[in-house]
Amino acid sequence: DADVTQTPRNRITKTGKRIMLECSQTKGHDRMYWYRQDPGLGLRLIYYSFDVKDINKGEISDGYSVSRQAQAKFSLSLESAIPNQTALYFCATQGAGNQPQHFGDGTRLSIL
Amino acid sequence: GEDVEQSLFLSVREGDSSVINCTYTDSSSTYLYWYKQEPGAGLQLLTYIFSNMDMKQDQRLTVLLNKKDKHLSLRIADTQTGDSAIYFCAESIESNTGKLIFGQGTTLQVKP
Repeated sequence: DADVTQTPRNRITKTGKRIMLECSQTKGHDRMYWYRQDPGLGLRLIYYSFDVKDINKGEISDGYSVSRQAQAKFSLSLESAIPNQTALYFCATQGAGNQPQHFGDGTRLSIL
Repeated sequence: GEDVEQSLFLSVREGDSSVINCTYTDSSSTYLYWYKQEPGAGLQLLTYIFSNMDMKQDQRLTVLLNKKDKHLSLRIADTQTGDSAIYFCAESIESNTGKLIFGQGTTLQVKP
């Protein structure tokens, strides 16, 4: 079983819809991150969390919100999706200090 | 601000060595990472180097770090078709948060 699981893997939806992407982990890590990947731009940080109910904005948080109600789960919401939020979204976890981040397999989201 | 730059594409023949380059701007980087992304998959950690090291070798992978020039490279010896993927370098810019800044990714194409 994967250590970091993202659901759904693929989603197509319409402009204005509310979308929730889920991430769950079995690694026991406190730190969790949400990134989006766009071609030629690498990964950009949306939000991150260091503990339950701890929420911090990344470099591109506008239009997104997150929830961390349990150590193992970190969800990302798009309250009213727009086409330029079409991207590949990744969740990552990290142990203490500078341990490497571990990534899920991604959610491919298309907003029509 | 912090920035990480990579060339976007590299093509090599099977059996040759591949060298993927990365430059970064933040001199306070603590760790630098190389991740591999295969089609349809998440980012897989390949290797990482602490900023006070010059070189790290792990089987076919050699990482070289030139702190003076803020230049990081990943050499893959005896490149195989299974090495075809996107390679991301990332720097850890804040030791107490573990946040990463990613480059745009280098697509490595290995020709038979």
